[in-house]
Amino acid sequence: DAGVIQSPRHEVTEMGQEVTLRCKPISGHDYLFWYRQTMMRGLELLIYFNNNVPIDDSGMPEDRFSAKMPNASFSTLKIQPSEPRDSAVYFCASGGSEAFFGQGTRLTVV
Amino acid sequence: QQPVQSPQAVILREGEDAVINCSSSKALYSVHWYRQKHGEAPVFLMILLKGGEQKGHEKISASFNEKKQQSSLYLTASQLSYSGTYFCGTDAGGTSYGKLTFGQGTILTVHP
Repeated sequence: DAGVIQSPRHEVTEMGQEVTLRCKPISGHDYLFWYRQTMMRGLELLIYFNNNVPIDDSGMPEDRFSAKMPNASFSTLKIQPSEPRDSAVYFCASGGSEAFFGQGTRLTVV
Repeated sequence: QQPVQSPQAVILREGEDAVINCSSSKALYSVHWYRQKHGEAPVFLMILLKGGEQKGHEKISASFNEKKQQSSLYLTASQLSYSGTYFCGTDAGGTSYGKLTFGQGTILTVHP
């Protein structure tokens, strides 16, 4: 298996623009997690899905953030509009008791 | 509530041992340990469940003291490949899957 695949690996965008991050989880995994990592706040859980259904989005910082999982093989995290403080590495992970992380998307909002 | 890890950083020579601690103010159901190398994704090391036994992974093992809400990660005979940032992730919600609150990390550097 290729593991959890995220795209793009790097994204630079201007403040106010819409940003969409993509994730393909490992086939057969029931859980999908979106995490954000920054120097200041560390690794934070934003939202997670179980069998494509959002279970807990209490970590989503603002209404500007939204996440979807239309099917078992694809999830998106959207930020609209983006702000400089959204700059971070965004990780998608899938699995269960053992979470497998994707390589992350490094987002820079200028 | 974010768990607290100690120490914040450790510097070792190859072959030396280290202990990394993780403490929570909440009663925990499970503790997960991950290692992240610079510029890479976190990689799962092990999970410790409430009522479970001490787990091991090669020369890395861990314990979980439920009464104190603490976990410790033991690295013995360290190798250069052990360098990285170690995170504990805790779950107080009664599940064993990855809905975790992570500590701030412990940076481990192993020198030849």
